[in-house]
Amino acid sequence: DGGITQSPKYLFRKEGQNVTLSCEQNLNHDAMYWYRQDPGQGLRLIYYSQIVNDFQKGDIAEGYSVSREKKESFPLTVTSAQKNPTAFYLCASSRGLGYEQYFGPGTRLTVT
Amino acid sequence: EDQVTQSPEALRLQEGESSSLNCSYTVSGLRGLFWYRQDPGKGPEFLFTLYSAGEEKEKESLKATLTKKESFLHITAPKPEDSATYLCAVGTSNTGKLIFGQGTTLQVKP
Repeated sequence: DGGITQSPKYLFRKEGQNVTLSCEQNLNHDAMYWYRQDPGQGLRLIYYSQIVNDFQKGDIAEGYSVSREKKESFPLTVTSAQKNPTAFYLCASSRGLGYEQYFGPGTRLTVT
Repeated sequence: EDQVTQSPEALRLQEGESSSLNCSYTVSGLRGLFWYRQDPGKGPEFLFTLYSAGEEKEKESLKATLTKKESFLHITAPKPEDSATYLCAVGTSNTGKLIFGQGTTLQVKP
């Protein structure tokens, strides 16, 4: 089955620790994205990547970092610089920018 | 400024009571308009893409339509399992990014 996987589903971290969220896709899509979803705020774009070894900041990139070493993988690191990291994180992919995006199941991160 | 507004924020229907959800948009260059369904605690599920005014798409009890300013998602004879948040997004030709609306949370009571 083609799709997007995110792991883990739930993640708990102590304040001051960096944490990396995994995202893998087997849809052969060129573009991948990371969003953050908070109650009442909708989806906000963190980072996106059009092709391997290239990525761009989205609307709320501060405190986050990404890499795109393989077409299938786009991990997101939430650093200790992110002031409010507790949120629901969604990864998505598409055949290119502007096309329909397909989402993974999400990772709920709780930082205390 | 590119913007997407969905209304209403929340909608309660009785089973079988048809209704429509609205998605209004202003965008410098529309590449496509997308509808998604999101269940609590899950990622959005892609439903439809509409590319030009006058276009319509159907899937089971859902029908999406598009004009130059807005899109409607019509729900015919809804069932409790249609309860979810429905998200609208527009793709812009200048940036290629999707701009999401806040969503409409639909509750269908038996």
